[in-house]
Amino acid sequence: DGGITQSPKYLFRKEGQNVTLSCEQNLNHDAMYWYRQDPGQGLRLIYYSQIVNDFQKGDIAEGYSVSREKKESFPLTVTSAQKNPTAFYLCASSIVSGDQETQYFGPGTRLLVL
Amino acid sequence: AQTVTQSQPEMSVQEAETVTLSCTYDTSESDYYLFWYKQPPSRQMILVIRQEAYKQQNATENRFSVNFQKAAKSFSLKISDSQLGDAAMYFCAFLGRGSTLGRLYFGRGTQLTVWP
Repeated sequence: DGGITQSPKYLFRKEGQNVTLSCEQNLNHDAMYWYRQDPGQGLRLIYYSQIVNDFQKGDIAEGYSVSREKKESFPLTVTSAQKNPTAFYLCASSIVSGDQETQYFGPGTRLLVL
Repeated sequence: AQTVTQSQPEMSVQEAETVTLSCTYDTSESDYYLFWYKQPPSRQMILVIRQEAYKQQNATENRFSVNFQKAAKSFSLKISDSQLGDAAMYFCAFLGRGSTLGRLYFGRGTQLTVWP
């Protein structure tokens, strides 16, 4: 089946620890995105990438890092510099050009701090 | 900066009735898309409907339709014949095709309850 997968579903982080959230897509989409969702708020953009080996900061990039070594994969690392990482993280992908720039989302990862 | 406002934090509707969710947005771009996404308790974001700004005709997907008023920067979602499975958080989102190409801006959402 074509789609976007995120793992793990739940992730626990200890103080001072870096953790990495996985996002993989087999839709052959060029662009991939990471969003953070907090209670009572909409989604906020962390990072996005429109092409392999290139990515841009979104609105809340501090304390996060990403890589885009393969078209299918866009992992997000939550570093120890992110002081309030507890949230729901959603990955999305889309075609970049034409009339197909709709973003489709993965099932999400819930990150909790121990 | 682009902003998306959903002024109704919560709405409710009786099964089989019709409900309208409101959304307004602010932008200086002339070419853009607007979306409604649904987030059920599973928290998966599901695309409900999409509207291209250059199209005057309102988008429709089965029981879901929009009322797109470009001059007023308004984009409401109408759900007809509401079903229990429509209960979810609904998000309005804006995607500019100019300087903000590729970036989705979301409202804070409207929680829809459907009563049997």
